[in-house]
Amino acid sequence: DSGVTQTPKHLITATGQRVTLRCSPRSGDLSVYWYQQSLDQGLQFLIQYYNGEERAKGNILERFSAQQFPDLHSELNLSSLELGDSALYFCASSMLAGGTDTQYFGPGTRLTVL
Amino acid sequence: AQSVSQHNHHVILSEAASLELGCNYSYGGTVNLFWYVQYPGQHLQLLLKYFSGDPLVKGIKGFEAEFIKSKFSFNLRKPSVQWSDTAEYFCAVRGGDNDYKLSFGAGTTVTVRA
Repeated sequence: DSGVTQTPKHLITATGQRVTLRCSPRSGDLSVYWYQQSLDQGLQFLIQYYNGEERAKGNILERFSAQQFPDLHSELNLSSLELGDSALYFCASSMLAGGTDTQYFGPGTRLTVL
Repeated sequence: AQSVSQHNHHVILSEAASLELGCNYSYGGTVNLFWYVQYPGQHLQLLLKYFSGDPLVKGIKGFEAEFIKSKFSFNLRKPSVQWSDTAEYFCAVRGGDNDYKLSFGAGTTVTVRA
């Protein structure tokens, strides 16, 4: 157990819908990262927050957004869902914003869009 | 932008055999290097990491990796695998202090036959 928690574990929804994925970082970690794992794209970085502020953006679609709250938990919002959004979404956390820092991953949320 | 290449997509071997997984990256500056493992149905777990110093890094579960700067490589090794090493292995790179995200290779599925 890495100490990073994600809810829900599984999510099944329909195209066009909107969902929210939640992540709680390890105690003491200020950074939260979101990654998407799909069969065709592999593991891809989406976005990073550090202490409530957006720090880095990767291959995140405009239909997706995220935020980090004062208690440091983060939410990833996916809207106007398409079949291709079906994937495993991982959250990772680390103490710092980068540098010589290690990211610890949560168990992931498996999203299925029908 | 950095890229990570893992040479083998799927490796099948017998218990007690030796394992070596290749990882090459393209990035001109200082890098932090990681190997993560994903057991079936589980989240990514850190096996080992390299930031600086001794290029031979020892990790958990008997794994080690060697950083060869001139070859831009960070190959993972284990002298004698067990059935429980069956998993997917990911090499990841972070491009120094100013980069926060991890760039992952496509992963190598390792199947160990009893």
